[in-house]
Parts: sequence; C-alpha cells; structure tokens
Amino acid sequence: ETGVTQTPRHLVMGMTNKKSLKCEQHLGHNAMYWYKQSAKKPLELMFVYSLEERVENNSVPSRFSPECPNSSHLFLHLHTLQPEDSALYLCASSQASNTEAFFGQGTRLTVV
Amino acid sequence: DQQVKQNSPSLSVQEGRISILNCDYTNSMFDYFLWYKKYPAEGPTFLISISSIKDKNEDGRFTVFLNKSAKHPSLHIVPSQPGDSAVYFCAAWGLNTGNQFYFGTGTSLTVIP
Repeated sequence: ETGVTQTPRHLVMGMTNKKSLKCEQHLGHNAMYWYKQSAKKPLELMFVYSLEERVENNSVPSRFSPECPNSSHLFLHLHTLQPEDSALYLCASSQASNTEAFFGQGTRLTVV
Repeated sequence: DQQVKQNSPSLSVQEGRISILNCDYTNSMFDYFLWYKKYPAEGPTFLISISSIKDKNEDGRFTVFLNKSAKHPSLHIVPSQPGDSAVYFCAAWGLNTGNQFYFGTGTSLTVIP
C-alpha cells in the first residue's frame, strides 16, 4: 500500500473511445503528477498540479486532458488516442518543495 | 534534452557482490538526487536520496554517493541479493527546477544466485 491508488490497473481501448484514468492519494500531499513510461525511455512528466494549480507541459498532445478537482484526486481523460500512446501511466504525489514523490502502481494502457 | 542519464540499460551481478548503478546529470541547479526501485507491473518506490551538499548517504545495504564536480550520483548495493533484481531509476529534483522530478531511463539489475 503506497498511499497513492490508481484505477484501473489495466485498460484496453480503441482509438475512438473516451476513457479516464483515476488517481487518489491519502497522504495529505499538495502536488500531484502524471508520468508516462514507455519502453526504454525516461519517465516522461506529463502534467503537474501544485497547490491545485496546473503546470502546463506543452509537449503533451491535447488528446490527453488532466483534471484535478481537489488536492486528493487527479484524473487523466483520454480521447482519440493512438497506438503509440500505449504505455504505463503513473500517478505520483508529493508535498510541494519536498524531495520525495510517492507513486501509484500505474495503469497499463493499450490502444488498439 | 535529457537532464538525467543512466547510460547502462542493464547490469548483472553475482549474489553477495557489489552492484554499482551509475547516473549523470547536466543541471547544476538540482538539490537532491533520488533512487527509485521498480518491479514489473508496479510503480516505482523510493529507495534512498542524497542532498547536493553531501557526498554520501548510507541506509543498510544501500549507499548513494555524489561526485558533484563530475555531476555523477551512484548507488551501491552490497551485498547484492536476488530480491534486489529490479529496474533502478535515478531522479533529480531542485527547488528552482519547477517542482519536477527528472528521471533517467533506468538500469535493469539482475542479481544471479
């Protein structure tokens, strides 16, 4: 139990589907992150919400849309994805200006 | 531009020997260097960290060294155990680097019994 919970653990979706990934943290942190992990690549930071304020990452395609309704919950809305978007999507949280991020177990996404 | 690099994608070590995982960084603004361990189908878990003002931090079998002049953190595991087999990610963080963690590509460690 890491204190950061992601659902679902696995997701298979078609390119025309709309789905959402959910992340919930019970650690009282005020910063939450979405990372993408593809094979043989560094963990890629997608989005940061710090003190419920979003930090844009301009390199993330608009088919990924984050939502942070409160400091404990983070969503990643997905629509019209491409097969190359298949990856492990990791949520993390931290206390802003602290040095340690806690990760969820990830959602393994397959786009067919 | 990749600010944290792990140039060895894999490493194999005999049980009982020392495992040395290397990392390099380019941004001198980083304040902390962290190591995460990741098993398949799980998220990374924090292992150990070191402040940029120190050159060594030890926690049991795990020791992290920082050669600041060379911009080179490294993780030493001694003695290595089969349960240490995992992917190890080096990460860096700084107060003035946008509250982001910058990760390397990971090194897959296999400890051979």
